[in-house]
Amino acid sequence: DTAVSQTPKYLVTQMGNDKSIKCEQNLGHDTMYWYKQDSKKFLKIMFSYNNKELIINETVPNRFSPKSPDKAHLNLHINSLELGDSAVYFCASSRGTSGRSYTDTQYFGPGTRLTVL
Amino acid sequence: GQNIDQPTEMTATEGAIVQINCTYQTSGFNGLFWYQQHAGEAPTFLSYNVLDGLEEKGRFSSFLSRSKGYSYLLLKELQMKDSASYLCAVNTGFQKLVFGTGTRLLVSP
Repeated sequence: DTAVSQTPKYLVTQMGNDKSIKCEQNLGHDTMYWYKQDSKKFLKIMFSYNNKELIINETVPNRFSPKSPDKAHLNLHINSLELGDSAVYFCASSRGTSGRSYTDTQYFGPGTRLTVL
Repeated sequence: GQNIDQPTEMTATEGAIVQINCTYQTSGFNGLFWYQQHAGEAPTFLSYNVLDGLEEKGRFSSFLSRSKGYSYLLLKELQMKDSASYLCAVNTGFQKLVFGTGTRLLVSP
């Protein structure tokens, strides 16, 4: 019954490593997102994809690369991890298109807590 | 730029009413959302306003004034389980949500 799921839930790794976080939604939604929530609990959008097409690409280091194999999946690959990448990463999804004036509720996954040592 | 302000923390007593304010100045506006986030969990959707006025949903209501760039979330008959962070977010276009820093609400017996 899980709507938006992420794996892993916890990820502890060393600086310089490369890691991936996976996200899947079974809601039949067309748009998926990645957010980063820092230690001060500030939630900031990183990317969004609509039907496998990149729509939003915020000012994020190019060490972060999203990949959408199909509209139900959006993965996040991070190269050369740095201490500042430690955060909780949330995946979300919403129904419908990504037009300028279109608004739909975003549903969040449980989050992946990344700790870089 | 985008600016969304909320109080950092509020406290209230079980059974009381609390109002959490949110003011915003954004480059675009396609609606305002309120989310609830318990510690260690995902944000969950509470309410959405795109037109001026009050939206009521059980113990929760949300108000919007677009001319003033202002919204509030009203929680009635507070329960202990309402202790959480409340996030105000504006859709600035293309489904991009810009979040405030959140208000941590502590409900005491």
